[in-house]
Amino acid sequence: RKEVEQDPGPFNVPEGATVAFNCTYSNSASQSFFWYRQDCRKEPKLLMSVYSSGNEDGRFTAQLNRASQYISLLIRDSKLSDSATYLCVVNSGGYQKVTFGTGTKLQVIP
Amino acid sequence: NAGVTQTPKFQVLKTGQSMTLQCAQDMNHNSMYWYRQDPGMGLRLIYYSASEGTTDKGEVPNGYNVSRLNKREFSLRLESAAPSQTSVYFCASSEFAVREQYFGPGTRLTVT
Repeated sequence: RKEVEQDPGPFNVPEGATVAFNCTYSNSASQSFFWYRQDCRKEPKLLMSVYSSGNEDGRFTAQLNRASQYISLLIRDSKLSDSATYLCVVNSGGYQKVTFGTGTKLQVIP
Repeated sequence: NAGVTQTPKFQVLKTGQSMTLQCAQDMNHNSMYWYRQDPGMGLRLIYYSASEGTTDKGEVPNGYNVSRLNKREFSLRLESAAPSQTSVYFCASSEFAVREQYFGPGTRLTVT
C-alpha cells in the first residue's frame, strides 16, 4: 500500500456543484495533514491545514478521520477558478516523513 | 513579502554540465527543502535543511549537493547533469518540521 493515495481523477463537475476528494494514508502515527492546490506548471500552494476537529474556510471544508486513516476535502459551489490539481500532504513527524500525494485533478465546467 | 524565490526559472543543460539553483525565503523560516516533481509522481525530497548550518539527505539525493548559505538561502547544485535529472525543481520553507511548507515558483530543468 502506498503511504499516501489519491484518486487521480479527473473529476469533471459543473459550476455550482459540490465535490469531495479523499486521501488515504498508511502510517497511523501521522501527525499533520494539509491540502495544497497546484495549477498547471505552477508551484503547490497551501489551501488549508487539516485539524482533528475539522476546519472550514469559505467554500472549503477539510476533515480528518484517524480511525479510517483518511482526510477529505469538500468544495461547495464550485467555481471555474477551482480547476486545479489538489494534493494531500501527510507528515509523519519528521523532515523526511513528509509525503505528498500525486494529486486529484478537478475540472469545473461551465 | 516575496515569500520563496527561485532562480533561474528555466534552464537547459547538456549532459555533464554543472549548475546551481538558488533559493531564498524572507519569512524567517528555520527549515528549507529541495524537491523534484516528475509527471505522475508526487514531489520527492532531494535534500533538506532543518536549520541554519545543517543539511540532510532526502529520498533522492544522488547527483545533487546543497548549501545552506545562511538562514535565508539554500542552494542546490548539480555537479554533472544527467538526462534523468530533467525535472521541475521546487524549493520550499517552513517554520519547522511538522508545519506547512511554502513553495517557490520552481525551476524547469532540461538536460539533453
